[in-house]
Amino acid sequence: DAGITQSPRHKVTETGTPVTLRCHQTENHRYMYWYRQDPGHGLRLIHYSYGVKDTDKGEVSDGYSVSRSKTEDFLLTLESATSSQTSVYFCAIGGGGSGELFFGEGSRLTVL
Amino acid sequence: AQSVAQPEDQVNVAEGNPLTVKCTYSVSGNPYLFWYVQYPNRGLQFLLKYITGDNLVKGSYGFEAEFNKSQTSFHLKKPSALVSDSALYFCAVSVGSSNTGKLIFGQGTTLQVKP
Repeated sequence: DAGITQSPRHKVTETGTPVTLRCHQTENHRYMYWYRQDPGHGLRLIHYSYGVKDTDKGEVSDGYSVSRSKTEDFLLTLESATSSQTSVYFCAIGGGGSGELFFGEGSRLTVL
Repeated sequence: AQSVAQPEDQVNVAEGNPLTVKCTYSVSGNPYLFWYVQYPNRGLQFLLKYITGDNLVKGSYGFEAEFNKSQTSFHLKKPSALVSDSALYFCAVSVGSSNTGKLIFGQGTTLQVKP
């Protein structure tokens, strides 16, 4: 299994509070991604990174920010969580030229 | 707009029978196509990909997929299903040829294999 660790794995929070999800990789891969999974939508790309301090928006980036200060860590922040951000969040590494993705185990976030 | 469709929410098949999970896509340019599988409470696992070349692609666990450009399809197949194949399957297409991690996913198809 690819060395990808997500934390926390489960979190319940209240509307309006900030939340940060962490993705840590031991593969030294250049590309990292955050996806969210919702029933009926499959997975949708939130943000991705192509290097330290190099990030870009994905399909559903509104309400989310990211940071990558080290190769191994990619943080996803919800500045003020809303109920529509209740979801399962997956970090992934890989891609690039023609490569496949390797996914973490997911972080289940519930916003009340 | 680029999109992926998996027309069946669920596919039911008996163990030992062949299985097909359907996927159609709409992209501009040459598609990079992928299949991923997800077991309960787990992340997605890569099964196979089509980048270029032979239209029949072989992947993990005995799965294969056929790229059909004229029908814009990339159906997943297996000659003989196992109960352990029961899972959620996702078809995906790469948005950019320079980064195959930027994917558009279908909504997923649940495969149920019964003994």
